[in-house]
Amino acid sequence: EAGVVQSPRYKIIEKKQPVAFWCNPISGHNTLYWYLQNLGQGPELLIRYENEEAVDDSQLPKDRFSAERLKGVDSTLKIQPAELGDSAVYLCASSFSGPNTEAFFGQGTRLTVV
Amino acid sequence: DQQVKQNSPSLSVQEGRISILNCDYTNSMFDYFLWYKKYPAEGPTFLISISSIKDKNEDGRFTVFLNKSAKHLSLHIVPSQPGDSAVYFCAASNNRKLIWGLGTSLAVNP
Repeated sequence: EAGVVQSPRYKIIEKKQPVAFWCNPISGHNTLYWYLQNLGQGPELLIRYENEEAVDDSQLPKDRFSAERLKGVDSTLKIQPAELGDSAVYLCASSFSGPNTEAFFGQGTRLTVV
Repeated sequence: DQQVKQNSPSLSVQEGRISILNCDYTNSMFDYFLWYKKYPAEGPTFLISISSIKDKNEDGRFTVFLNKSAKHLSLHIVPSQPGDSAVYFCAASNNRKLIWGLGTSLAVNP
């Protein structure tokens, strides 16, 4: 069974440019997460979807970040415009709905803003 | 304010011996705890979990112990293998919200 697929793996952009990340979760997983991970830190939740509904986006910087999960399957995360401080690894994860279920992560997209 | 703390940034263990990774938390509302392993350039991989109603969960070489009164959990790996060398993250859940520690880098030496 395929795992969580993210693309691209790496992205280098100039500051003020837009960037988008794509995630395809594990088939059957209704819950989808976007995390941000800085070096030496644990993942930090940006947004959680239950199907197509964003149920927790309290940590998403909405002035420049946006996400969508049309049809409740694939998801995209966009940053516009990107800032130097956005350089990090962006992780997508998915899980079954319900409490106490483990999330499965993709390989992440390493973003470098120069 | 770190709600989930992994106070040891790194740990070095000899192959075949026991590795013990520790995690402390401050929020008594956490009801589910997970350990993830992360290799460089990969996403975290789920390892083992424990519900707050239990004090031990075992899966092969991996055992997680939970001490609710001390708000402490630990991951034991026995015997340790070189392939276990990775960063281990402790995470705690409250109402589906996962809070992560900073990770402990484990090196298992042959």
